Amino acid sequence: GENVEQHPSTLSVQEGDSAVIKCTYSDSASNYFPWYKQELGKRPQLIIDIRSNVGEKKDQRIAVTLNKTAKHFSLHITETQPEDSAVYFCAASGRGGATNKLIFGTGTLLAVQP
Amino acid sequence: GAVVSQHPSWVICKSGTSVKIECRSLDFQATTMFWYRQFPKQSLMLMATSNEGSKATYEQGVEKDKFLINHASLTLSTLTVTSAHPEDSSFYICSARYGYTFGSGTRLTVV
Repeated sequence: GENVEQHPSTLSVQEGDSAVIKCTYSDSASNYFPWYKQELGKRPQLIIDIRSNVGEKKDQRIAVTLNKTAKHFSLHITETQPEDSAVYFCAASGRGGATNKLIFGTGTLLAVQP
Repeated sequence: GAVVSQHPSWVICKSGTSVKIECRSLDFQATTMFWYRQFPKQSLMLMATSNEGSKATYEQGVEKDKFLINHASLTLSTLTVTSAHPEDSSFYICSARYGYTFGSGTRLTVV
């Protein structure tokens, strides 16, 4: 089955700096890669996603890149703000295919220092 | 759109009792619902996938007789934790539409 690894587990940046979180997946059949932001005690919120037919996607300060050959994808947050502080999870799924389970990475605690 | 309502948001129960958690899709039909468990400071671990009108598919290591899942309609999926024990205390959360939307989660504490 799918296995998703995520690094780093914690990340501290200064306000205004960029933050990068990386994930690798094991199942080459996975074709959907969402990223979530989870604040303490709350539900995960989808912040951006990318499908396997796309190499990069951007939404304002957030971007995701995908390297299918290497089976890794990354989240990039630019101009970080204190309100970006949260736990971020990557996930992988074979959405629409035989394996459509959404498997999560281990999470990254991002702290943006003002 | 795509709202999933999950109840209860928190529950405390005695060891040995059963607890039912409901997830309702309010404005769409959820043919598939994923059930996750999240321990403090850990990731979301997939427990099972429920499909409307058929048996749920459980992940390896998840006891299907302990965590009963029912998906009898296109708008309701339930997870029942039977004979709960303190080690079952966790945050349980459902997800529909392949991760586009999550329920608000249920904090279960077994005493």
